[in-house]
Amino acid sequence: GQSLEQPSEVTAVEGAIVQINCTYQTSGFYGLSWYQQHDGGAPTFLSYNGLDGLEETGRFSSFLSRSDSYGYLLLQELQMKDSASYFCAVRAYNAGNNRKLIWGLGTSLAVNP
Amino acid sequence: DTAVSQTPKYLVTQMGNDKSIKCEQNLGHDTMYWYKQDSKKFLKIMFSYNNKELIINETVPNRFSPKSPDKAHLNLHINSLELGDSAVYFCASSRGLDMQDTQYFGPGTRLTVL
Repeated sequence: GQSLEQPSEVTAVEGAIVQINCTYQTSGFYGLSWYQQHDGGAPTFLSYNGLDGLEETGRFSSFLSRSDSYGYLLLQELQMKDSASYFCAVRAYNAGNNRKLIWGLGTSLAVNP
Repeated sequence: DTAVSQTPKYLVTQMGNDKSIKCEQNLGHDTMYWYKQDSKKFLKIMFSYNNKELIINETVPNRFSPKSPDKAHLNLHINSLELGDSAVYFCASSRGLDMQDTQYFGPGTRLTVL
């Protein structure tokens, strides 16, 4: 089967750094994305890694190692507004040989003062 | 100038009823999706349309019928609603099917079946 694993919950304090890991097992691989979702809101795109290495966007960075089927999202200088759920998603093939986005179950990040 | 819009935002209805949720995107995208997010926040892809054609139907009961009258619209009709259909339904769109094509989500429709 196809699966993504990420921690269900992470807690950190303001100003800290937190890393959310994502490991995947999929048929085919075409890149890993991260989405953020605040309570009551819609998922919004954060970052995409198509190749190995680190992508940086402001306080957020995302890393991919295709040989390890592993990626992570790094959030630096945490702020209260970063409290949200974070989803990793991988593009792979489904049983019908169509490309689809496979989603992890999400990591709920709580940032405390 | 909302990119992806859905109506209604909230929907409360009785078991057995039939209801529809509408979705429109003004981004000029070719691909649209419906997702179901349950109380545990699991995002489950239901359908994906590319250029008005159904390309993904993820073992969704046939009580759910999507309709895409044109590339900018993807509506979801649900027959004979059940308690387990209660969830937030998100519409999304992307430029195409490539991985780097970001998905843009609508605000969601919270469906409550009583």
